[in-house]
Amino acid sequence: QLQLQESGPGLVKPSETLSLTCTVSGGSISNNNYYWGWVRQPPGKGLEWIGSIYYSGRTYLNPSLKSRLAMSVDTSRNQFSLSLSSVTAADTAVYYCAREVITTDYFDSWGQGTLVTVSS
Amino acid sequence: SYVLTQRPSVSVAPGQTARITCGGDNIGYKNVHWYQQKPGQAPVVVVYDDIGRPSGIPERFSGSNSGNTATLTISRVEAGDEADYYCQVWDGSGDHQGVFGGGTKLTVL
Repeated sequence: QLQLQESGPGLVKPSETLSLTCTVSGGSISNNNYYWGWVRQPPGKGLEWIGSIYYSGRTYLNPSLKSRLAMSVDTSRNQFSLSLSSVTAADTAVYYCAREVITTDYFDSWGQGTLVTVSS
Repeated sequence: SYVLTQRPSVSVAPGQTARITCGGDNIGYKNVHWYQQKPGQAPVVVVYDDIGRPSGIPERFSGSNSGNTATLTISRVEAGDEADYYCQVWDGSGDHQGVFGGGTKLTVL
């Protein structure tokens, strides 16, 4: 059974860089049928798509975050990562990693989510 | 950028039918996915590509999409259906861009 697990600091200072990693188990991140994505949810608010990455490294990024956002994939470790720079309190959210089925473009499997708080 | 509009809340009595709508410009030309999210949990897809139902999702969940409105219909609503529901599309006008609606809180009276 596929499992995704987010990891990274739960607290980040304003103006610093938020870095998260998603570890995939029970399946290969190199499977060409899937993208791997990040979605976030500020406390009490709705979902926001952050970006998606293919195992080749091709990325699709939310235009509203693009100038601060980088994504990468490490096929040897079956992981993909997110880096968001110059964070503010508005970046405080639960961050989810998820698998996206290419043929139908929906997220069919999600991590449990990790809360990242931006505060000094 | 593409915008999806959902009503903040819908209330329905047990056993009745809930209809949750998602509005967008010519959304009928897009494939709409619906996610259910219960408190403290990750979202779960309940309908994909307008009408598809993943394995394990009850037949009570169905979808439709036409014109400027997509609809998630939940028949014979149960207390366990109380959750937030989000619609989602991909905006391919420029690139592969994911868009979520603001979400609808379904309350079972």
